[in-house]
Amino acid sequence: SQELEQSPQSLIVQEGKNLTINCTSSKTLYGLYWYKQKYGEGLIFLMMLQKGGEEKSHEKITAKLDEKKQQSSLHITASQPSHAGIYLCGAAPGNTGKLIFGQGTTLQVKP
Amino acid sequence: DAGITQSPRHKVTETGTPVTLRCHQTENHRYMYWYRQDPGHGLRLIHYSYGVKDTDKGEVSDGYSVSRSKTEDFLLTLESATSSQTSVYFCASSIRGMSNQPQHFGDGTRLSIL
Repeated sequence: SQELEQSPQSLIVQEGKNLTINCTSSKTLYGLYWYKQKYGEGLIFLMMLQKGGEEKSHEKITAKLDEKKQQSSLHITASQPSHAGIYLCGAAPGNTGKLIFGQGTTLQVKP
Repeated sequence: DAGITQSPRHKVTETGTPVTLRCHQTENHRYMYWYRQDPGHGLRLIHYSYGVKDTDKGEVSDGYSVSRSKTEDFLLTLESATSSQTSVYFCASSIRGMSNQPQHFGDGTRLSIL
């Protein structure tokens, strides 16, 4: 079965600093999703990547999918306290809609 | 974001009692999903539906049943709740069930079984 591993598990950064979160799959990714979750709330969809080498940006968050489609990175530029939360990567094994998720990366941004 | 409402948002009940969680979406999405989120396990799929009265099992379906009588409603039932089913439950929906369609999530139901 396919598994997703995120690193690091947790991250504390000073406001204004850049950071990167990685998501590695044990098998080829057909679709890679990034979500953000605040404590006690649901998951907010950030971005979806499908093609090898694809890169998408939204405001100060950039996500990339490597050429082999087995790893994705999420990069935040000039972090702000509003970026704090749990970031989860999700994937659909076998090109189905049944998502599996990584364990999540907890981000704290210190003012 | 898709309009997905989960009810109740919080529930405390006793072992052995039946529990039903409701998910309501206003986006006319064909696919709906139930997940549970637990420390150390992340999010895991319980059941999903690909249309009215069409459902299938996910990764952790034992002890759970679902029903979908209308496009907008997806119910999750714990027939006889156990303490191991204490968790946060999330509902999600998507237009189609393919990997190129993002799922949109509700705010979750925190369920405690004593």
